Amino acid sequence: NAGVMQNPRHLVRRRGQEARLRCSPMKGHSHVYWYRQLPEEGLKFMVYLQKENIIDESGMPKERFSAEFPKEGPSILRIQQVVRGDSAAYFCASSPGGQSDTQYFGPGTRLTVL
Amino acid sequence: GESVGLHLPTLSVQEGDNSIINCAYSNSASDYFIWYKQESGKGPQFIIDIRSNMDKRQGQRVTVLLNKTVKHLSLQIAATQPGDSAVYFCAENGAGGFKTIFGAGTRLFVKA
Repeated sequence: NAGVMQNPRHLVRRRGQEARLRCSPMKGHSHVYWYRQLPEEGLKFMVYLQKENIIDESGMPKERFSAEFPKEGPSILRIQQVVRGDSAAYFCASSPGGQSDTQYFGPGTRLTVL
Repeated sequence: GESVGLHLPTLSVQEGDNSIINCAYSNSASDYFIWYKQESGKGPQFIIDIRSNMDKRQGQRVTVLLNKTVKHLSLQIAATQPGDSAVYFCAENGAGGFKTIFGAGTRLFVKA
């Protein structure tokens, strides 16, 4: 049973470009979470999605960031017009249920904005 | 507001000794706690969890203790090995919310 998969593992973008990060949850998991981690810091919650629904996006910046989890295919975290401050590791986690279910993490995507 | 924090940012132990990593939380309504291990360049790895109706849970070489009176969580690692070197995060979930709140992390160094 494959774990949570994320791609790309490393992504380099120039300021103003768009970044698309993908996450495929574990088989049988219908809940996806996105987190951001700066070096030497903890993970900060961004958004929680179920299939076709955003349940909690209280950690998402109001502008330039969006997330989706379509009926078919992976979850996508999209960052438009990236700035240097967006450079970070972005982790996706999935769980079989929602609240109070153990979340299993992917290997992350390391975004570098030049 | 909610917060989960750690008492010790770094911990250095001798191989074979026991390690104790501590964590404080402030939301008394939280009902689920998790410890994660994160090695360099990797995603957090689930170690052990505990729900608020318990005060102790044991796994393989790890034990989590929950003291709800003082809102304190600890992770004990028995016979620490070099492979245990990593950053350890406590996390808090539940309490009516969906997000998992992570502490800042403790870096564990295991000396051979």
